[in-house]
Amino acid sequence: GAGVSQSPSNKVTEKGKDVELRCDPISGHTALYWYRQSLGQGLEFLIYFQGNSAPDKSGLPSDRFSAERTGGSVSTLTIQRTQQEDSAVYLCASSLAPGGNTEAFFGQGTRLTVV
Amino acid sequence: KNEVEQSPQNLTAQEGEFITINCSYSVGISALHWLQQHPGGGIVSLFMLSSGKKKHGRLIATINIQEKHSSLHITASHPRDSAVYICAVQYSGGGADGLTFGKGTHLIIQP
Repeated sequence: GAGVSQSPSNKVTEKGKDVELRCDPISGHTALYWYRQSLGQGLEFLIYFQGNSAPDKSGLPSDRFSAERTGGSVSTLTIQRTQQEDSAVYLCASSLAPGGNTEAFFGQGTRLTVV
Repeated sequence: KNEVEQSPQNLTAQEGEFITINCSYSVGISALHWLQQHPGGGIVSLFMLSSGKKKHGRLIATINIQEKHSSLHITASHPRDSAVYICAVQYSGGGADGLTFGKGTHLIIQP
């Protein structure tokens, strides 16, 4: 597709279950970012991938969160043993090159609700 | 902590009014982004700036690097401009920790 695609668009899960969120970046974009927007809060950085380099995980809130990017393209954000405070919109963005000097393109987000 | 401050937090205006949203940040940046988020949650990148001014249609974005300040202007505002406008910066000095975001400005344009 022409844009960043995220799936699912909405996910309701029970507390304690694991969830996987998927991001398909724009083809050819080497940089991929995951962000989280909790209710009433601003966006916060979670994790960054650049090509085949080791990801920058400095924003991950706990060890229940992990992410992979296979083949430098599709990324999966996994949340294990979900908690209610994990409820948020999870946004993925990609850009042609790393850093802030290239335009970032955002997906529509996955709205996660933990009940 | 490096912070991005936006003002106002909320703004309601009448159709046709000239709108200004401000963003200030605390340390040197390599680039600043203005983003638009509609009620459905999707985010669109409006501008990316590292200096000067950019214009796209009725939208104008300016940045003053010395004053660490940026403004987003909307001319001849229209109800379809109603959205949350978010300022985001990439701090200079290396690192790959993505963007730091302001809390957003919730804009409502009334017909």
